[in-house]
Amino acid sequence: QLQLQESGPGLVKPSETLSLTCTVSGGSISTASYYWGWIRQPPGKGLEWIGTIYYSGSTYFNPSLKSRVTISADTSKNQFSLKLSSVTAADTAMYYCARAPGGPYLIGHFGYWGQGTLVTVSS
Amino acid sequence: DIQMTQSPSTLSASVGDRVTITCRASQSISSWLAWYQQKPGKAPKLLIYKASSLESGVPSRFSGSGSGTEFTLTISSLQPDDFATYHCQQYNTYSSFGQGTKLEIK
Repeated sequence: QLQLQESGPGLVKPSETLSLTCTVSGGSISTASYYWGWIRQPPGKGLEWIGTIYYSGSTYFNPSLKSRVTISADTSKNQFSLKLSSVTAADTAMYYCARAPGGPYLIGHFGYWGQGTLVTVSS
Repeated sequence: DIQMTQSPSTLSASVGDRVTITCRASQSISSWLAWYQQKPGKAPKLLIYKASSLESGVPSRFSGSGSGTEFTLTISSLQPDDFATYHCQQYNTYSSFGQGTKLEIK
């Protein structure tokens, strides 16, 4: 059974960099058939796709966040990570990692999700 | 960017009702649309992908239709477990979500 688990600091100061890791168990992130994504949800609001990384290392980002986002993968640990720089209170949200099946599209639909981790941006 | 607009934002219904939620895209997304159900404090759960394909394990009372810019999620006979928030997602051009539709008990 595939499981995804987000981890990282729950509190980040304004202007600093938010760093989260998604640890995958029950499946390999190196599998060619899947894409791995980050999605966030501010309290009481809708979902926002942040970015996606492929098994090959290719990355795609939401244009509205692209200048501040880095996504990388560590296949030896079966993890992929998110870094969001220069955070403000507007970046306070539940952050989810998720898996999408590969296909004739860049991002895909997310069939497996982590439980999410709440990150608050505050001094 | 492709904007996704769901309607209504809130829907009140009773057990046994047939309900429909609409999702409109600001430009054509072919059939690259998914629907999710989310309950408070939980991650979203995939219900429908490619506009009308039912995810494995999802009850057949859920169905999706549409293509291009207009899509619908229909629940044929509401069950108590269905009261939740529903989100649509396009993945034709990068990805974006609708603002969500909260399905409440009438």
